[in-house]
Amino acid sequence: SAVISQKPSRDICQRGTSLTIQCQVDSQVTMMFWYRQQPGQSLTLIATANQGSEATYESGFVIDKFPISRPNLTFSTLTVSNMSPEDSSIYLCSVRQGLREQYFGPGTRLTVT
Amino acid sequence: GESVGLHLPTLSVQEGDNSIINCAYSNSASDYFIWYKQESGKGPQFIIDIRSNMDKRQGQRVTVLLNKTVKHLSLQIAATQPGDSAVYFCAETLSGGSNYKLTFGKGTLLTVNP
Repeated sequence: SAVISQKPSRDICQRGTSLTIQCQVDSQVTMMFWYRQQPGQSLTLIATANQGSEATYESGFVIDKFPISRPNLTFSTLTVSNMSPEDSSIYLCSVRQGLREQYFGPGTRLTVT
Repeated sequence: GESVGLHLPTLSVQEGDNSIINCAYSNSASDYFIWYKQESGKGPQFIIDIRSNMDKRQGQRVTVLLNKTVKHLSLQIAATQPGDSAVYFCAETLSGGSNYKLTFGKGTLLTVNP
């Protein structure tokens, strides 16, 4: 399976600021995904990021709030913009390998004060 | 650090017992299912998957059962160990879909008592 790393692993940010989360994969992958996991909750897909195309956002998530970059087949960033305490969550990067298997990074734990 | 299991259904078992974790999925068209294990402070870890043309699949100490009639999935863990303590999520998808999106269930917190 792919080895996925995320930076930062955690951060505490003030409301109104923005944070960019990086996701690095040790192999080239076509499909990358960003998820949010609010405290005590399950995972919710934010967007799908394929290299060479615009990210596809799920209902309830917009590009102005969560801009995504996918400059190559091993890297992606997610920015959480104009943060509020409601954005406090774990943000997870995920990649698809093979026909169906999907693997996750360790997550970025964000607290907004 | 925070715990992702505070508001989730819980299952408590004794070490050495077998565990059964259940999941009801939502989309009758889903044809691929995955179980993930998430330990505190970590990302979800792939455990086992099953396609809709199967009703049972076995791995090392784990078995997944699929009942498409009632849209039910279960994960059986044999001889549960303290290291199995984690939150377990099921996920479903349409493997032929263009974006291959996973939809996750609510999760179950498994606690193994020594």
